[in-house]
Amino acid sequence: QQQVKQSPQSLIVQKGGISIINCAYENTAFDYFPWYQQFPGKGPALLIAIRPDVSEKKEGRFTISFNKSAKQFSLHIMDSQPGDSATYFCAASQGSRGSTLGRLYFGRGTQLTVWP
Amino acid sequence: DTEVTQTPKHLVMGMTNKKSLKCEQHMGHRAMYWYKQKAKKPPELMFVYSYEKLSINESVPSRFSPECPNSSLLNLHLHALQPEDSALYLCASSPDRGAKNIQYFGAGTRLSVL
Repeated sequence: QQQVKQSPQSLIVQKGGISIINCAYENTAFDYFPWYQQFPGKGPALLIAIRPDVSEKKEGRFTISFNKSAKQFSLHIMDSQPGDSATYFCAASQGSRGSTLGRLYFGRGTQLTVWP
Repeated sequence: DTEVTQTPKHLVMGMTNKKSLKCEQHMGHRAMYWYKQKAKKPPELMFVYSYEKLSINESVPSRFSPECPNSSLLNLHLHALQPEDSALYLCASSPDRGAKNIQYFGAGTRLSVL
């Protein structure tokens, strides 16, 4: 069972455009939502993360929007650049006690291509 | 420094070989993780160590054997692997398993089993 659903599977955007990737979850115990960026042949790198007490977080060209009532969150990449071409994974985890402590639940990933 | 170092970068082994993957971090993190990643898929959790003790084993076959000799080092011992075990093996670390579960990943070891 996919704990975090991510869409679209692939995305093509022109240079300078806005890239938007969406994720949805069901488990209301999740309290940490990171986004990872992965280039071919490399490990995932933490890009930006948000907690559910905040509706938006911005770091440079990257913004996470979080809708707690809808159990959805999204990544917006403003002024997309060819160097942003990578695979993006959303994820969720919970910080409370129990067997799931420390587990990151990943979405299936979005392959972003930014055309020059 | 948020670096997790994995060696080797590439490994080719036969089904009867024994090899080990190594992961090192010097960030003082007390949780360390092994993941397996197939092409175009998200990382799949294999093992979690917390304070050098194995906390999670995701029903991984016994041909994969993890070891955490100290808080900075994580090994994955491989024996009698199958071709379907070919994948990118990722190590990650985080300050702890709890609320600050910010996981930092290494570049991975690309494993090919012949």
